[in-house]
Amino acid sequence: SQTIHQWPATLVQPVGSPLSLECTVEGTSNPNLYWYRQAAGRGLQLLFYSVGIGQISSEVPQNLSASRPQDRQFILSSKKLLLSDSGFYLCAWREQGAVEEQYFGPGTRLTVT
Amino acid sequence: GQQLNQSPQSMFIQEGEDVSMNCTSSSIFNTWLWYKQDPGEGPVLLIALYKAGELTSNGRLTAQFGITRKDSFLNISASIPSDVGIYFCAGQLRGQGAQKLVFGQGTRLTINP
Repeated sequence: SQTIHQWPATLVQPVGSPLSLECTVEGTSNPNLYWYRQAAGRGLQLLFYSVGIGQISSEVPQNLSASRPQDRQFILSSKKLLLSDSGFYLCAWREQGAVEEQYFGPGTRLTVT
Repeated sequence: GQQLNQSPQSMFIQEGEDVSMNCTSSSIFNTWLWYKQDPGEGPVLLIALYKAGELTSNGRLTAQFGITRKDSFLNISASIPSDVGIYFCAGQLRGQGAQKLVFGQGTRLTINP
């Protein structure tokens, strides 16, 4: 069966510091991968998605970037965090093909101080 | 971007009551998905709908894909304390790439024992 991992689970970082959040998926090959941000328990904002290694689509211009160095690894980064980057970051995967179902990881709670 | 109007935003009910929530849009969707998110965790897929008019059940949960393809509803029968959480609808727009979903803003369900 497939599993998705995210780490760290929680992170407190000062403004201006760099960021690296990691997501890995097991039990599937060539998945679509997604990064979402959720503010204050509300809706999900799609940040980036990837259909393959090295292929990144950005949805919202912002202070963040994403990379996919391996088939089942997706990384969210920032060179200098802003206060507004605080939130709950969720990674999701979807099997390539006709079905639209996305499956989410446990999330990373980021607090920028 | 495209919006899904999810209502109600919050519900306060007594244990044992039935619950109904819905999502509507001015656009046509090919797929409707319903997720539940517990506090501090990632959303979990409850039900997926792929055909207009489709009615699908998962235990005490029932969801339907509207005939017009512009709406969907989720019903929960005989609510129990573990039903507490935020419920999200999500859809894949007709004509948009298969990779992305549009999410509603969520319905927060609170149950009084």
